[in-house]
Amino acid sequence: GNSVTQMEGPVTLSEEAFLTINCTYTATGYPSLFWYVQYPGEGLQLLLKATKADDKGSNKGFEATYRKETTSFHLEKGSVQVSDSAVYFCALTIQGAQKLVFGQGTRLTINP
Amino acid sequence: NAGVMQNPRHLVRRRGQEARLRCSPMKGHSHVYWYRQLPEEGLKFMVYLQKENIIDESGMPKERFSAEFPKEGPSILRIQQVVRGDSAAYFCASLLGEAEHGYTFGSGTRLTVV
Repeated sequence: GNSVTQMEGPVTLSEEAFLTINCTYTATGYPSLFWYVQYPGEGLQLLLKATKADDKGSNKGFEATYRKETTSFHLEKGSVQVSDSAVYFCALTIQGAQKLVFGQGTRLTINP
Repeated sequence: NAGVMQNPRHLVRRRGQEARLRCSPMKGHSHVYWYRQLPEEGLKFMVYLQKENIIDESGMPKERFSAEFPKEGPSILRIQQVVRGDSAAYFCASLLGEAEHGYTFGSGTRLTVV
């Protein structure tokens, strides 16, 4: 089946620290991969995406590279800010299937 | 473009009552998805609808839950005879075309069953 496994949270970092949130997947077809962010009390916002192997998605200083050989899509940011505190979800969709499969989410807290 | 609109934002129901959750997709979007987020968990797919058609309801509980997306008006997720375990955040997402373009989510309805 199709599934997404994320790094266990919560993750707490100091401002300007380097961030990595691990995400691995299993998929029966050729997935597109996404990172969504959920700020407190809000819905999910698309952070970045990659639709084929070796693609790099980037937005707001965050990056993730689609690694087919390791079935991974790890999220990274070089210098986090307090405003990055949120829950981050890795997700995939299989071509033709339409629906998203989410990881369990990783809660990130950045302290000043 | 107002985005995906969900209402109400918060809904409190007593056990045994009915809950109706509404979702208006982005203008021009004809695909609507409902997801449920239990506390401290990820989102789980419930149902995928196009106008007047249910395309995939593989994530819907077999009883008490139903969904529709009529030709006119919002999509409705209906939960009959609610129980405490139905307490969750329910999110709607819409899509214009292919899934790899990314979905637009609403802000959700937080249902509390007391």
